[in-house]
Amino acid sequence: DQQVKQNSPSLSVQEGRISILNCDYTNSMFDYFLWYKKYPAEGPTFLISISSIKDKNEDGRFTVFLNKSAKHLSLHIVPSQPGDSAVYFCAASVGSQGNLIFGKGTKLSVKP
Amino acid sequence: KAGVTQTPRYLIKTRGQQVTLSCSPISGHRSVSWYQQTPGQGLQFLFEYFSETQRNKGNFPGRFSGRQFSNSRSEMNVSTLELGDSALYLCASSSGQGLETQYFGPGTRLLVL
Repeated sequence: DQQVKQNSPSLSVQEGRISILNCDYTNSMFDYFLWYKKYPAEGPTFLISISSIKDKNEDGRFTVFLNKSAKHLSLHIVPSQPGDSAVYFCAASVGSQGNLIFGKGTKLSVKP
Repeated sequence: KAGVTQTPRYLIKTRGQQVTLSCSPISGHRSVSWYQQTPGQGLQFLFEYFSETQRNKGNFPGRFSGRQFSNSRSEMNVSTLELGDSALYLCASSSGQGLETQYFGPGTRLLVL
């Protein structure tokens, strides 16, 4: 039973446009959410996080939105750049120190 | 500052064998977590060690075990290997100041034949 779901295995976007990556979760106990980016042959790197007391967190070109009632979060990348091409993982936790439960990832391709 | 290092990077074993993977955390980090990544199941949490004690454990059989040494280096052991254990095993170290401080190593790719 997947507690964190990324239903789009892949996404292709033109350079300069917005990339929107989606993530759904089922466990209402999750209160901390993170996004990671992973390049081939490297481990995931932390991108941005949000706690359940917020509905938006922004860091440069990256914004994460949280809709608790829908148990849905999304990562917006604006503007998208070719270097953003990677696999993006959504992860959830109970508390900021708990175990991370990951989604299966979405492969983003940004075309020049 | 050196990142998280994992050895070996690639490994081929046969069913029934056992394997030990090693992880050296970032200097000063006392928490080490292990994850398994497979195409079917994605990234799954195995266990976390903090100051030589297992602090959290995921839902994996007892064939998967680990330990942490006094210098925070960690090893993960899988006994009686099965074909389904073929995966990328990722180690992450953290200062313990929140999940954002968790840094992942490049992983060890294990192939079980």
